[in-house]
Amino acid sequence: AQSVTQLDSQVPVFEEAPVELRCNYSSSVSVYLFWYVQYPNQGLQLLLKYLSGSTLVKGINGFEAEFNKSQTSFHLRKPSVHISDTAEYFCAVSDRSGGYNKLIFGAGTRLAVHP
Amino acid sequence: EAQVTQNPRYLITVTGKKLTVTCSQNMNHEYMSWYRQDPGLGLRQIYYSMNVEVTDKGDVPEGYKVSRKEKRNFPLILESPSPNQTSLYFCASSLYPGGNTEAFFGQGTRLTVV
Repeated sequence: AQSVTQLDSQVPVFEEAPVELRCNYSSSVSVYLFWYVQYPNQGLQLLLKYLSGSTLVKGINGFEAEFNKSQTSFHLRKPSVHISDTAEYFCAVSDRSGGYNKLIFGAGTRLAVHP
Repeated sequence: EAQVTQNPRYLITVTGKKLTVTCSQNMNHEYMSWYRQDPGLGLRQIYYSMNVEVTDKGDVPEGYKVSRKEKRNFPLILESPSPNQTSLYFCASSLYPGGNTEAFFGQGTRLTVV
């Protein structure tokens, strides 16, 4: 079965600085990868997804992620963060081992942007 | 507006008192699921449903029940809640259970069992 590791539970950063949130998944022949964001007191919403094709995926709010098959990673990046990016970010992988596709989530990374 | 609606948003209850958390989606999605979110553990799937009258256990089903009598509704039932079920619960839906489809989440239900 798939598993997802988010290497940092919390990432503090100053406004306008770049940020990288790290995500590694266990290997699989075929995998779909997702990043979701959870703003305070809200549900999760999709930031971006990798299904196939180009390994660099662009999402909403200026975020992007790079799929690296050899390193089984899918790190999320933003070149310049805003206060409004403060949220919890979840990496997820689609697991087909159960006979259907289901999402396996990482533990989450709490991004705190400071002025 | 396309959305997944959960009710209630907040609930405090006592051990053993049956409760139901409702979930409704207006996108005609086939696939619905329930997750619980706990600090340091991310989201874990409780139950899922492929379509009407088709439900199955996820990774942490103990102490929960679900039903899917209509396509749009997928209630989560705790017959006899216990304090270890204190958690943040999310309902999600997607067009079909394919791995490449986006999941839409409700706002969450924060449950406290005392």
